[in-house]
Amino acid sequence: GEDVEQSLFLSVREGDSSVINCTYTDSSSTYLYWYKQEPGAGLQLLTYIFSNMDMKQDQRLTVLLNKKDKHLSLRIADTQTGDSAIYFCAERRQSSASKIIFGSGTRLSIRP
Amino acid sequence: DTGVSQDPRHKITKRGQNVTFRCDPISEHNRLYWYRQTLGQGPEFLTYFQNEAQLEKSRLLSDRFSAERPKGSFSTLEIQRTEQGDSAMYLCASSRGGGENTEAFFGQGTRLTVV
Repeated sequence: GEDVEQSLFLSVREGDSSVINCTYTDSSSTYLYWYKQEPGAGLQLLTYIFSNMDMKQDQRLTVLLNKKDKHLSLRIADTQTGDSAIYFCAERRQSSASKIIFGSGTRLSIRP
Repeated sequence: DTGVSQDPRHKITKRGQNVTFRCDPISEHNRLYWYRQTLGQGPEFLTYFQNEAQLEKSRLLSDRFSAERPKGSFSTLEIQRTEQGDSAMYLCASSRGGGENTEAFFGQGTRLTVV
């Protein structure tokens, strides 16, 4: 993803919170997404946030959006081994409502 | 209907050969997307259909690539004269039309290896 940036790796201890960060460049983006990809599996939509919101919570997941800084984060509370995966941040731009632009993904690994 | 299905799951081909992949979207979805994902990267947009009309194509889609969705249901992606650089996972996604936020559901992908 040329315009959506994420750090490549994150390692957390089981039971701790994980925070995955993302920056995007298009201020006109309408929806921002977090997808999860496990080894050998397809992309799974975890959650999304509309651009006029600044926070969304869904069980263990909390999404924070700072539209001014074009910064998006995903917090996973009480991280479990099953959360090990690659997490992709993605944006749907108003200028091209048909497509979703992905970041390069953050690989989350869990330490015992 | 259990989701987006892609066929084949894996394809190994010799350089220079043509390959064709198929995607069957979720039945009531009129939008269909093709993405390509290489190792360590996020999915890159290739092209998009609304019903049978191909509305957008990425510059990544060279002349060797062609996609069709003849009846607005399944879609095919053909790569002619494959090159080693075409090796990647090819992902298909579908979504409902209308409204701004239409969740895109992804298939398991077709992994292409060009030798």
